[in-house]
Amino acid sequence: GAVVSQHPSWVICKSGTSVKIECRSLDFQATTMFWYRQFPKQSLMLMATSNEGSKATYEQGVEKDKFLINHASLTLSTLTVTSAHPEDSSFYICSAKGQFGFYEQYFGPGTRLTVT
Amino acid sequence: SQQGEEDPQALSIQEGENATMNCSYKTSINNLQWYRQNSGRGLVHLILIRSNEREKHSGRLRVTLDTSKKSSSLLITASRAADTASYFCATDERNSGNTPLVFGKGTRLSVIA
Repeated sequence: GAVVSQHPSWVICKSGTSVKIECRSLDFQATTMFWYRQFPKQSLMLMATSNEGSKATYEQGVEKDKFLINHASLTLSTLTVTSAHPEDSSFYICSAKGQFGFYEQYFGPGTRLTVT
Repeated sequence: SQQGEEDPQALSIQEGENATMNCSYKTSINNLQWYRQNSGRGLVHLILIRSNEREKHSGRLRVTLDTSKKSSSLLITASRAADTASYFCATDERNSGNTPLVFGKGTRLSVIA
């Protein structure tokens, strides 16, 4: 089956610093990748949609200058949390849709970000 | 955006009992999927039911879909302590190839041994 990886799996950073999270589709080409955020005991909320080679589309209320998304290739999308604050501490999950399978969306294992 | 609404928000049962979770959604869909998530971990895909299907089984899982009521249910039979987790429904909107899955709020299931 299709595999999506995320790196790192967890990260702790200081307030004001930036953190980059990578999402890779390991065995398929992902034309579209999605980034979700999940706060404790809550559901997954979509942050943005990124298509390879074009700018990401952000959901309402998500600051595009704070959460920089780059989808430079068909197998890699990155999310950079800039000038992180404690309220950005969350579980970030990416998912990818390939060029096959109209319905198929594969999820990465998630990245736990803690901002101190 | 969040489309699905799960009911109940939390459910506590004894091992061996059945657990039923419900999900309602708002728009027309291509399919509805159920996921499990253990605390602090990633998502585990459980089952997908297409809009033209009414019921689907997988092991101890039974999923129903009523598109006229825009609702789905997940039944876990003969529950085990290992079934303790959060369960989410997620919908894939109709006629949209690159739209994301939209998740419900989830049901936290506790199975007591």
